[in-house]
Amino acid sequence: QSALTQPPSASGSPGQSVSITCTGTSSDVGGYNFVSWYQHHPGKAPKLVIYEVSQRPSGVPDRFSGSKSGNTASLTVSGLQADDEADYYCNSYAGGNNWVFGPGTKVSVL
Amino acid sequence: QVQLVESGGDLVKPGGSLRLSCAASGFTFSDYYMAWMRQAPGKALEWVSFISLTGSTIYYADSVKGRFTISRDNAKASLYLHMESLRAEDTALYYCARPLKPRSSPYYFGLDVWGQGTTVAVS
Repeated sequence: QSALTQPPSASGSPGQSVSITCTGTSSDVGGYNFVSWYQHHPGKAPKLVIYEVSQRPSGVPDRFSGSKSGNTASLTVSGLQADDEADYYCNSYAGGNNWVFGPGTKVSVL
Repeated sequence: QVQLVESGGDLVKPGGSLRLSCAASGFTFSDYYMAWMRQAPGKALEWVSFISLTGSTIYYADSVKGRFTISRDNAKASLYLHMESLRAEDTALYYCARPLKPRSSPYYFGLDVWGQGTTVAVS
């Protein structure tokens, strides 16, 4: 059982936006601004798309954005493209030597 | 280019041992913490272990503590994971990964370089 909660699936049509939530507690998501999001195409290496809640690594398009409110972080993918269809995992520092992941959300582009 | 290549995965019996290796290239290996991550079939990503620049600080997930040992050889730009007392639940694709920022713990800024993974099957 994952420490963070994500919806199992989300979907949108090309060009639309889709948002994924990641709910934790005040001990992880709510307590630190160290939330990351990964995009994972099956059979490929995971890709970091957001770190520190809302920062994008170099090369990640600004269609990917992150935010946080209380114990819930969110990833929004705007202008959906076929290649955005993937699994998305959130991850948060949880203090001490603790690092927690969500169970993943499968994003489908209709 | 920046690259991580894992090797050593295999089919092993419960209670057995295995050593995974990760060869790094394209960056100054000794400037980065390094991590082992894994993904069991149909399951979420899971962190396994981190190691600091010189190996002086090491963290393990509770699920592998006491059974797995992470190490690194900066001269060879290589990361290792020695796994003992393997269990069926250790069956997974194991990834070697590098944090986004040098000299920073993976906890804070995420992992931005990943290998393709090596498969460990315990059965």
